[in-house]
Amino acid sequence: GQNIDQPTEMTATEGAIVQINCTYQTSGFNGLFWYQQHAGEAPTFLSYNVLDGLEEKGRFSSFLSRSKGYSYLLLKELQMKDSASYLCAVGSNYQLIWGAGTKLIIKP
Amino acid sequence: NAGVTQTPKFRVLKTGQSMTLLCAQDMNHEYMYWYRQDPGMGLRLIHYSVGEGTTAKGEVPDGYNVSRLKKQNFLLGLESAAPSQTSVYFCASSYTMNRDRSRTDTQYFGPGTRLTVL
Repeated sequence: GQNIDQPTEMTATEGAIVQINCTYQTSGFNGLFWYQQHAGEAPTFLSYNVLDGLEEKGRFSSFLSRSKGYSYLLLKELQMKDSASYLCAVGSNYQLIWGAGTKLIIKP
Repeated sequence: NAGVTQTPKFRVLKTGQSMTLLCAQDMNHEYMYWYRQDPGMGLRLIHYSVGEGTTAKGEVPDGYNVSRLKKQNFLLGLESAAPSQTSVYFCASSYTMNRDRSRTDTQYFGPGTRLTVL
């Protein structure tokens, strides 16, 4: 079967660093995606990893280990506007297989 | 360049009524998708299309029909609405080839339609 696991909810403090983990088991693999979704809005694309290693984009970084079926999204210097859900998805057969999302709560 | 647009934004239906949700994209994307999103369940794929004139079933297709008569449009129909179809519906599109001819499945979403079935 196809399965993507990520924590349901995480809490962090403004200015701190948080790491959101994602593990996956899928029949195919064409890259791992992270999306951000603010409450009441559509998901927006954050990052894409197809090779092992770390991809950095400003305050956000994403890591992939294909052999372990594991990825994480690292958010640095947290801001209140980072309060959102973060969705992990795996590309497979021209579709995206989605995790249920991690709700990130930022406290002042 | 509007990206992906959806109409309507909100709709309330009575059980048994029918309606059509319209998705339009101006990015010349080949692939288009319809999802529903319910609290705690993430995004679930209803139907998708890999090109004009083609459609395929996703994870939760029952009770829905789709059509892709033009490349830029993807319609989702509810023939006889049920309360279980109360949800937020998102349309997305993707471009399967980067400029360097590498493949990408990055999907871009419309703003969503909030549907309530009474």
